[in-house]
Parts: sequence; C-alpha cells; structure tokens
Amino acid sequence: KAGVTQTPRYLIKTRGQQVTLSCSPISGHRSVSWYQQTPGQGLQFLFEYFSETQRNKGNFPGRFSGRQFSNSRSEMNVSTLELGDSALYLCASRTGTAATNEKLFFGSGTQLSVL
Amino acid sequence: GDSVTQMEGPVTLSEEAFLTINCTYTATGYPSLFWYVQYPGEGLQLLLKATKADDKGSNKGFEATYRKETTSFHLEKGSVQVSDSAVYFCALSPEAAGNKLTFGGGTRVLVKP
Repeated sequence: KAGVTQTPRYLIKTRGQQVTLSCSPISGHRSVSWYQQTPGQGLQFLFEYFSETQRNKGNFPGRFSGRQFSNSRSEMNVSTLELGDSALYLCASRTGTAATNEKLFFGSGTQLSVL
Repeated sequence: GDSVTQMEGPVTLSEEAFLTINCTYTATGYPSLFWYVQYPGEGLQLLLKATKADDKGSNKGFEATYRKETTSFHLEKGSVQVSDSAVYFCALSPEAAGNKLTFGGGTRVLVKP
C-alpha cells in the first residue's frame, strides 16, 4: 500500500506570490490534515479535511486555505507569501471513521522556501 | 490553550546508554498522549501512545507512562542504538478533537557508536 504522497518535495517562491501544495492520502483514507513545521514555532496544526469538508482549523491567517477532492486528495494554498511562511509542510491521513485518536500517517513533506 | 513542553536538545549519547526525554503537558480534560519520531529526510512516524491515565505505551524498546498527577509523559529507552538518532516529538490530542495534535518543540537525539 502506498504511503502518503506529497508533491512537490521542494519549492522556491518569492514574497507576494502564491503557492499550491498537493497531498495524496493512503488509499481508503478520507481524512487529511496539514501541519506547518518551522524551527521557531515547531509543528503547528493548520486544518483537517474529511469528505471534502473542513472539520478542524488551527490558528493561521486566511492566507492559508485548503480543499479536498472527491478522491480524498487534498491541496493547500498559501496566498501573498511572506518570508515567515518558509517551512516544511506536512500532510497526514487517516481513515477518519474511528471515534477519536486514530493513527495518523505522515508524508515526507514539502519544503517551501520564500525569498 | 493546550501546550506541550519537552526538554531541548540535542541529546548526545553513546550506544547502549539509557535515554530519557522529559515531556509535560497542559490541557483540560483527559487528552491522549503521543510520541512521534522523525528520521532525517522523512515525515513523522507514531512511536507510541497512551489514551488514559496510568497507561503505558511501548514500541521498539521505547516506553512512556501517562502520569495524570504530574501531567507528564516521559520517553525512555534502556539501551539506545545508532539507528535511534532522530528528532522525537511529544504531542497531545484533546479528547474531543480527535487528531488535532499539539506538539512539543522536539528533541534531537544523536547516538554515537
């Protein structure tokens, strides 16, 4: 079974641009979560999608958005990029059908650098 | 809000040494607690978890016990190997919010032969 796949692996953008990151969950998983990892702030929860609906949201500005498609693949978009958006963006998936605390499977991440 | 505090690294050890990484948390109710590990160039992997007080999670020789009275979930391994070199993250999930994880800052562990 293939794991969680994130593309691209690396991205370089300039301030003010926008970027779209992609995540393909494990087959059969309907929940996709996104996390931002930076040296200063550590790992922070961005949002979770389940069956194309946002189910949870972290404390990030509206420039960060996401969506999920009917095949459970998810994209996150960051508009008007700032230098502080440079980070490793991790995607995680789970079936989403268990009540709570189901095991998350993480992808290897997309490393975004904003110049 | 919820928070997780873990000891800062790096922690440098010799092979076969004893490893302890301290983790304490602040949360309402009864969160579930986790340890995740991140090897170089890879995403996070769940190492172990505990969902209620006094539960002990264990995996690959690592152990951690959910201590409600001290709000702690310290990670231990009796004899580390070079392959245990990685960054370890303590995390919690609120009882009602499922997998909205709050992570500690991570502890880098380097095991030398």
